[in-house]
Amino acid sequence: QVQLVESGGGVVQPGGSLRLSCEASGFSLNNNFMLWVRQTPGKGLEWVGVLQTNGIDQFVADSVRGRFTISRDLSKNTVHLEMNSLRPEDTAVYYCAKGAGWVALYWGQGTLVSVSS
Amino acid sequence: EIVLTQSPGTLSLSPGERATLSCRASQTVTNDYLSWYQQKPGQAPRLLIHAASNRATGIPDRFSGSGSGTDFTLTISRLEPEDFAVYYCHQTAHPPLTFGGGARVEMK
Repeated sequence: QVQLVESGGGVVQPGGSLRLSCEASGFSLNNNFMLWVRQTPGKGLEWVGVLQTNGIDQFVADSVRGRFTISRDLSKNTVHLEMNSLRPEDTAVYYCAKGAGWVALYWGQGTLVSVSS
Repeated sequence: EIVLTQSPGTLSLSPGERATLSCRASQTVTNDYLSWYQQKPGQAPRLLIHAASNRATGIPDRFSGSGSGTDFTLTISRLEPEDFAVYYCHQTAHPPLTFGGGARVEMK
């Protein structure tokens, strides 16, 4: 069955970088849309971005454009969210999801990122 | 950017009652690419409805979605104890993809 396991979260200072990973099992990342969604503690959901099926093209939210990049490693069946120039407002639980098109169908359990000095 | 506004923010109901949640978009959601998610504390969201009215696999038929264009509705025909949760609408028609602010269904 489809399973997604995020890792790489933690505490980082403002201006720092972090790379989140999402290891997929039960399906191949090849030819699948993969999404990242975040949720500020106690608040609502915010779409971060989507990696298209070719593994190259991507759309990201305006709030992270130029700072966050999505990539994938087919050999490890893992998708990554590279986060640079982190800000306190990036503090959130980050979820990866397998898309049916752009609809997030299967979700991981999330990993917490805290940006604080 | 398409802004999604959910109402009411909180719905206080009893098991067995009907819940009606609204989601209004600031512009037309092309092809009615509007989904609904349920989220319980400490859990990831779960897809209930996609393309406005299509139930996801395994979702009970007490959940139904309707609407088109800019106005969408999620209806839970008879609330079960496990349905008390937060519900989000989400449009996937145009990037940036956006979520509504959420609506809490709480037990009266």
